[in-house]
Amino acid sequence: QSALTQPPSASGSPGQSVTISCTGTSSDVGGYNYVSWYQQHPGKAPKLMIYEVSKRPSGVPDRFSGSKSGNTASLTVSGLQAEDEADYYCCSYSGSNNLGLFGGGTKLTVL
Amino acid sequence: EVQLLESGGGLVQPGGSLRLSCAASGFTFSTYSMAWVRQAPGKGLEWVSVISGGGDITQYADSVKGRFTISRDNSKNSLYLQMNSLRGEDTALYFCAKAFVVNAIRRYGMDVWGQGTTVTVSS
Repeated sequence: QSALTQPPSASGSPGQSVTISCTGTSSDVGGYNYVSWYQQHPGKAPKLMIYEVSKRPSGVPDRFSGSKSGNTASLTVSGLQAEDEADYYCCSYSGSNNLGLFGGGTKLTVL
Repeated sequence: EVQLLESGGGLVQPGGSLRLSCAASGFTFSTYSMAWVRQAPGKGLEWVSVISGGGDITQYADSVKGRFTISRDNSKNSLYLQMNSLRGEDTALYFCAKAFVVNAIRRYGMDVWGQGTTVTVSS
């Protein structure tokens, strides 16, 4: 099964907001409220930023928020900071794939 | 401190085998599902396999089914991945990761990751 679809890149200036989309199907993103988002800095392990579409684990700044509409989930980073520059991956539970699906990743650049 | 430390990666010829290990500390290992996730050079994340806390339920990506075996030893707080019949496309950084919510790794994701161990399949 194909990966979830994310834009390869996104960018914004410090202090601005940027939104990254993650498009799937009714068998994954659209069918369940189990979308998570990971941040990965170069050479580092991924970090869980959002789970269950919009919930933040302890310690994740509230500048990071998640939402979903139909088959598309979104991650919004508000008040962009230099340290937000990283790759971001979405991940969804899937009813047709026994492990779930990752998105292809989005490289966020802070201008 | 909750930690995961992978080991066992290396260079192997196509068709060869490797066994990856992941040593866990700082949490009740037997309670949590665990996963192996890989990342090919310059590419995105890919599920490899997951295992339940008790070790009785395992799942695999289609790309590795029949070649890889996930297991765990809860008495040693350790996770393993036996990789056989390795192919060039298995070349990647392999991460072990802990479920954020006990035994619900596919729904709620993974909150603790190791730094990864590199597997290179080449002649």
